[in-house]
Formats: sequence, structure tokens, C-alpha cells
Amino acid sequence: GAGVSQSPSNKVTEKGKDVELRCDPISGHTALYWYRQSLGQGLEFLIYFQGNSAPDKSGLPSDRFSAERTGGSVSTLTIQRTQQEDSAVYLCASKRVRRGEAFFGQGTRLTVV
Amino acid sequence: GNSVTQMEGPVTLSEEAFLTINCTYTATGYPSLFWYVQYPGEGLQLLLKATKADDKGSNKGFEATYRKETTSFHLEKGSVQVSDSAVYFCALSDRSETDKLIFGTGTRLQVFP
Repeated sequence: GAGVSQSPSNKVTEKGKDVELRCDPISGHTALYWYRQSLGQGLEFLIYFQGNSAPDKSGLPSDRFSAERTGGSVSTLTIQRTQQEDSAVYLCASKRVRRGEAFFGQGTRLTVV
Repeated sequence: GNSVTQMEGPVTLSEEAFLTINCTYTATGYPSLFWYVQYPGEGLQLLLKATKADDKGSNKGFEATYRKETTSFHLEKGSVQVSDSAVYFCALSDRSETDKLIFGTGTRLQVFP
């Protein structure tokens, strides 16, 4: 596609529910990153994919968070048993190669009520 | 660990004023440095970058120079426009196997006519 696409753009969920956030990277981009932007905070790294493998998951804040990538393309970030502190904007970025320029999607705004 | 500190906003200026947004970093090794911009309702976009000491990144009238001796990468523009109103993020890439970006908290710029 023309750019990194994320869906949904907005998600409101009840505390305790599971949510799935989707990222469609730019076609041919091998590297994919998830970041989280909380109110008043900068963007914090969550997880990095190279192809379908995730060599760096060090930013995932708890075991309620998981992510996968299939076909070297689409990635899904899953948050189980959501908590209010999970409310944030979740951003996805892709790079053609690991040391290339990062292109960001517009993000998914998650609100846990 | 690696970190980025940037001045808090909002920064409020009149059109054609001079802009400086301060950014300092802490890093091991020799990171690449970036400024990203987030316009209202849009995703993060790369504004400019510098990959080694004394490099100057420039784009759309904005400039920043990689200063290793002061560990700084301040963003400047000689004459701001209303259309420059956005949130600006300073970031470094850690050049690890992940090459993830580490962001500052962002500085909101508001330019009034």
C-alpha cells in the first residue's frame, strides 16, 4: 500500500476485555515496530519484528501483551484483560530494511473504560 | 541507558518568529538523531535526521546540528508559519540489532498569525 495502515483508528473497550490492533506495513518492508504513546509521555517501544520473528520483545509491559506477524506483512498486537492504564495511542512503523527510514501509521487510539 | 530529553511545551510563537526547541540525549556509542513531526490528525513524519557528529539535518526550513560535545540536537527555524503548528519529537536510534527509536516526550508548537 501507499503507507502504513492501522485499524481500527479508535477503539473503546470495557476493562477486562481483550482487544486486537492491526498493522498493515508498506509492502516489502521487512522490519516492523510497535510503539505506545501515552498521555504526557513520549513514544515507548513495545516490540520489533524482522520478517515473522520478533527478536526484541523487551518493551512489552506485561504478559497481557502479545503480538504476531504473518507472511512477513500484517501484524496484530493483542492486549488481554485490558486495564485502564492500557489507554494510549498504539503506533506501528515499518522500514524497508532494519537501518532504513521508519514510516509510521496514524495509530489506534485505545480507550479502556 | 539511552534517553532523550526535550523542552516541555507548549511553545507559542507569532508567525515569522524564530524557533528553537531544545533536545539533549544520553547514549552509548554513536546514535543517529532524528526530529519527527506530528501534524494534527496525522501520523508521525520524519522531519530531518543526522547520522554522525557535526552533521546538519535540514528540511522545510528547519535545521538541527548533531553536537557530540554537548550531546544536543536542537531544532531551529528562522521564521515559523501557522502551518508549522504541530508536535515535534526528538529521537535517537540505538543502532542495536533492533535499531529501535527512543523518543523524547514531544513539544507542542502553536504559531499564531
